[in-house]
Amino acid sequence: DADVTQTPRNRITKTGKRIMLECSQTKGHDRMYWYRQDPGLGLRLIYYSFDVKDINKGEISDGYSVSRQAQAKFSLSLESAIPNQTALYFCATSGVGRGNQETQYFGPGTRLLVL
Amino acid sequence: AQSVTQPDIHITVSEGASLELRCNYSYGATPYLFWYVQSPGQGLQLLLKYFSGDTLVQGIKGFEAEFKRSQSSFNLRKPSVHWSDAAEYFCAVGPQGGKLIFGQGTELSVKP
Repeated sequence: DADVTQTPRNRITKTGKRIMLECSQTKGHDRMYWYRQDPGLGLRLIYYSFDVKDINKGEISDGYSVSRQAQAKFSLSLESAIPNQTALYFCATSGVGRGNQETQYFGPGTRLLVL
Repeated sequence: AQSVTQPDIHITVSEGASLELRCNYSYGATPYLFWYVQSPGQGLQLLLKYFSGDTLVQGIKGFEAEFKRSQSSFNLRKPSVHWSDAAEYFCAVGPQGGKLIFGQGTELSVKP
């Protein structure tokens, strides 16, 4: 089984709908991240969490919210989806300690299309 | 400000030829450097990383990278490319408050 899983893998939704993307990990890592990937822009950080009680905004958090339900689960919500949120979304995790906290492991991604 | 630049958006090489993907960074201290690969329809897989020590780092799938502080570079190399290496490659630098900064990516195509 994969260490970092994301559900759903693909999602089509309509403008204005609320959707949730879920991420689970079995690596035992404290740190979790949500990124979006757009062609030519690389990966941009949306939110990150260093432990269950620590949630931080990334560079592009507007229009998104997150919930850290447990060490192993980190969900990303789009409260009212808009077409420019169409992208590939990745969850990632990292451990603790020098080097480990910077080494991120990625899930397979969720491809989201907002019509 | 910290940043990562991958100057080549798209590179095409022939199968069996050597490969070098460029990565330049801007970082105030000794950086942690990473290369990730994203195959079509897949997530990002860690190829290799540099934290300190030997500036030539060996990774998985026959890749290596060399840290050159004087040039602020961390270029990825492979002596002989296989068709299965066709993918997008991302360079990243950290830590920035515990986070990584990613480059824009380089797409590699392999000609038969």
